[in-house]
Amino acid sequence: DTAVSQTPKYLVTQMGNDKSIKCEQNLGHDTMYWYKQDSKKFLKIMFSYNNKELIINETVPNRFSPKSPDKAHLNLHINSLELGDSAVYFCASSQDSGVRYTFGSGTRLTVV
Amino acid sequence: AQTVTQSQPEMSVQEAETVTLSCTYDTSESDYYLFWYKQPPSRQMILVIRQEAYKQQNATENRFSVNFQKAAKSFSLKISDSQLGDAAMYFCAYRRINQFYFGTGTSLTVIP
Repeated sequence: DTAVSQTPKYLVTQMGNDKSIKCEQNLGHDTMYWYKQDSKKFLKIMFSYNNKELIINETVPNRFSPKSPDKAHLNLHINSLELGDSAVYFCASSQDSGVRYTFGSGTRLTVV
Repeated sequence: AQTVTQSQPEMSVQEAETVTLSCTYDTSESDYYLFWYKQPPSRQMILVIRQEAYKQQNATENRFSVNFQKAAKSFSLKISDSQLGDAAMYFCAYRRINQFYFGTGTSLTVIP
């Protein structure tokens, strides 16, 4: 009965690889997000999709591309991974302009 | 620009005692929400308490309460009767429409 689930929970990969993180929510929310939490624990929004449309696209490298096949899924694809991409990535979803907001449990990405 | 500042990177409290975590924010908006999130070692972001800016009454959730000073743009979290399970990173967050802005977090240690 997980509300917002991310896979994988841990991801270790080499520099230059391409990887994807998947996110799914079963709450019926209409907006989904990706946040990045760096090594200093700072959380920053990357993207937001509302009903499959991109509504927030913060300044992130073009190597990061979100994909939303339907409003219950928002995947994050990262090309040509770099050491600085190592972080915890959180998916979240919300309804009613964010009054109800739920985070996933995070994906720890380590680039070696 | 909206920014959230948590000036205490680390705090500690004796079990059963009370601790207050500070948060200030900067905004030119009058309608917004403020939150405190808890992030234990499991990485899960857990909502602790929420405050609507239009409400003058301070929010309370069991042992957790806030001191919301809108004019001063201050939003501190008070944890009463601290328990070992309260040990975690605590993030203050400002939400306007559907985007969150997080502070840098306060790491709370509870001493048995």
